[in-house]
Amino acid sequence: NAGVTQTPKFQVLKTGQSMTLQCAQDMNHEYMSWYRQDPGMGLRLIHYSVGAGITDQGEVPNGYNVSRSTTEDFPLRLLSAAPSQTSVYFCASSPGQGRQYFGPGTRLTVT
Amino acid sequence: SQQGEEDPQALSIQEGENATMNCSYKTSINNLQWYRQNSGRGLVHLILIRSNEREKHSGRLRVTLDTSKKSSSLLITASRAADTASYFCATDAEFSGGYNKLIFGAGTRLAVHP
Repeated sequence: NAGVTQTPKFQVLKTGQSMTLQCAQDMNHEYMSWYRQDPGMGLRLIHYSVGAGITDQGEVPNGYNVSRSTTEDFPLRLLSAAPSQTSVYFCASSPGQGRQYFGPGTRLTVT
Repeated sequence: SQQGEEDPQALSIQEGENATMNCSYKTSINNLQWYRQNSGRGLVHLILIRSNEREKHSGRLRVTLDTSKKSSSLLITASRAADTASYFCATDAEFSGGYNKLIFGAGTRLAVHP
């Protein structure tokens, strides 16, 4: 199993640009989440999904959209990038109410 | 808002010594988890302890949970240089739409010197 994969690993955007961060898992997990990690802080939940077609907001959802058309994929879209969205983004999946499996992260810089 | 707060923020020890990290949280929980993050990498799950458990072991790791004090500790015995990483506690603070949202603390940075 590849586990949770994320692309790209690094990305630089200009303010106002849009992009999609990709996340895929091959473990047939129902639950998937997106987090952001800022320096000196823990992870904060952006959006999550409890199954295909079902998404909901986390702690810091503004400026981000998600969709879940398949069990495997959970892309995160930045609609109009802002410098405040400079961060490291992690995708995670889980089979249930317990441990989460994290991807390697995407380091995003918005100038 | 941060549910879990780790203490200390940073810890520096010699190989072979024990490392203890603490986590405090604010609301009632179903379970508490500990994760490790090596520099520039994703988080790796270490251990999960349920609210009705008081202590759990996994190899050189020992986790305790005191729900009356809303606190947990992670002990790493006989530390190695490879244990150098950041350690995070996470609690399932909120249940919504069939999902237990994990809330992470800011982490403890552990440095183990050879």
